[in-house]
Amino acid sequence: EVQLVESGGGLVQPGGSLRLSCAASGFSLSAYWMHWVRQAPGKGLVWVSRTNSDGTTYADSVKGRFTISRDDAKNTLYLQMNSLRAEDTAVYYCARDQGDGHAFDYWGLGTLVTVSS
Amino acid sequence: DIQMTQSPSTLSASVGDRVTITCRASQSISSWLAWYQQKPGKAPNLLIYKASSLQSGVPSRFSGSGSGTEFTLTISSLQPDDFATYYCQQYDSYPRTFGQGTSLGIK
Repeated sequence: EVQLVESGGGLVQPGGSLRLSCAASGFSLSAYWMHWVRQAPGKGLVWVSRTNSDGTTYADSVKGRFTISRDDAKNTLYLQMNSLRAEDTAVYYCARDQGDGHAFDYWGLGTLVTVSS
Repeated sequence: DIQMTQSPSTLSASVGDRVTITCRASQSISSWLAWYQQKPGKAPNLLIYKASSLQSGVPSRFSGSGSGTEFTLTISSLQPDDFATYYCQQYDSYPRTFGQGTSLGIK
């Protein structure tokens, strides 16, 4: 059974850093493109970043501040978030791409990041 | 960036109703469109991909159509479990973009 479990969220001050993890099971992370998507409280879904064997892509709003990476040996996806701002407050989901740049067929439950002083 | 616009933003319907949600892209995305259902406090769930392909395990009352810039999601006969928020998403180019969502409530 495919499962994605995020962790690492919490309360952080503006300008601070946080690293999110997404532990995958039931499939090999190395065989799939993976994404991060976020959702601010009461708002819609916003794509953040993706990674595959060929590279990474970021939304303009996080470029230069966030870094997506993966540890295939641990079957875990990461999102390093630096220089956090209040507008980064959201539930962060990791999601599996069903093919090479296609729809997202499995999602984690999400982890809440709150940026506030 | 490709802008995705859903209509309506909110919708009230009754069990058994046929419901249609529209999604328009600001430029052609061929058939690279997905529909997701999200319930409060839960992760999104993929319903339709490539505009009209039903994801495994999704009830057949859900269907999708369209290509280019205009797409629809239809629920043929609403069930109590279908009251949720629905999002379209384009995956033609980066950044991936979602519609603003359609909240489907009970009339």
